[in-house]
Amino acid sequence: GENVEQHPSTLSVQEGDSAVIKCTYSDSASNYFPWYKQELGKRPQLIIDIRSNVGEKKDQRIAVTLNKTAKHFSLHITETQPEDSAVYFCAASLSGSARQLTFGSGTQLTVLP
Amino acid sequence: NAGVTQTPKFRVLKTGQSMTLLCAQDMNHEYMYWYRQDPGMGLRLIHYSVGEGTTAKGEVPDGYNVSRLKKQNFLLGLESAAPSQTSVYFCASSLAGGANTGELFFGEGSRLTVL
Repeated sequence: GENVEQHPSTLSVQEGDSAVIKCTYSDSASNYFPWYKQELGKRPQLIIDIRSNVGEKKDQRIAVTLNKTAKHFSLHITETQPEDSAVYFCAASLSGSARQLTFGSGTQLTVLP
Repeated sequence: NAGVTQTPKFRVLKTGQSMTLLCAQDMNHEYMYWYRQDPGMGLRLIHYSVGEGTTAKGEVPDGYNVSRLKKQNFLLGLESAAPSQTSVYFCASSLAGGANTGELFFGEGSRLTVL
């Protein structure tokens, strides 16, 4: 089955700096890569996703890049703000949908004021 | 729209006891899922359902059973709870396969402690 590794497990940045979280996946057939944000004590929520026919996708301060050859994808957050502090999970899917999602182990991002 | 709701939110069990977690969604989604979340291990799929009357095993199904008698409900059962099942359980739902169907809508979670 699919295996997703996520790094780093914890990340601290100063407010206004950029943050980058990286994930690698094992199955080259995976074709859908979402990112979820989970604030403390809350439910995970989708913040951005990318499909394998696209190399990069951006939504305001967040962007995701995908390198299919190397089998890795990354989340980029620019101009970080305290409300960006949360746990971020990457995931990969073989089905192109949520049905076969495998999650990474999560990254605790702390934005220091 | 309530979205996805789970009950109960918290539960403490003794080893060997049984219990059922209930998940309900009002978005008319075909697919429903049960995940468990443990520190440092992300979200792991226990069981899922692609429609009323269907269930399938996920990554960590042992010790759990599920049922989907109605489209809007997905039940997770623990027949004989073990301390290793101490976790936070999340229910989720999504649209069926096809474009724009990747988003999981999660419930608020149920924290289960097995003593």
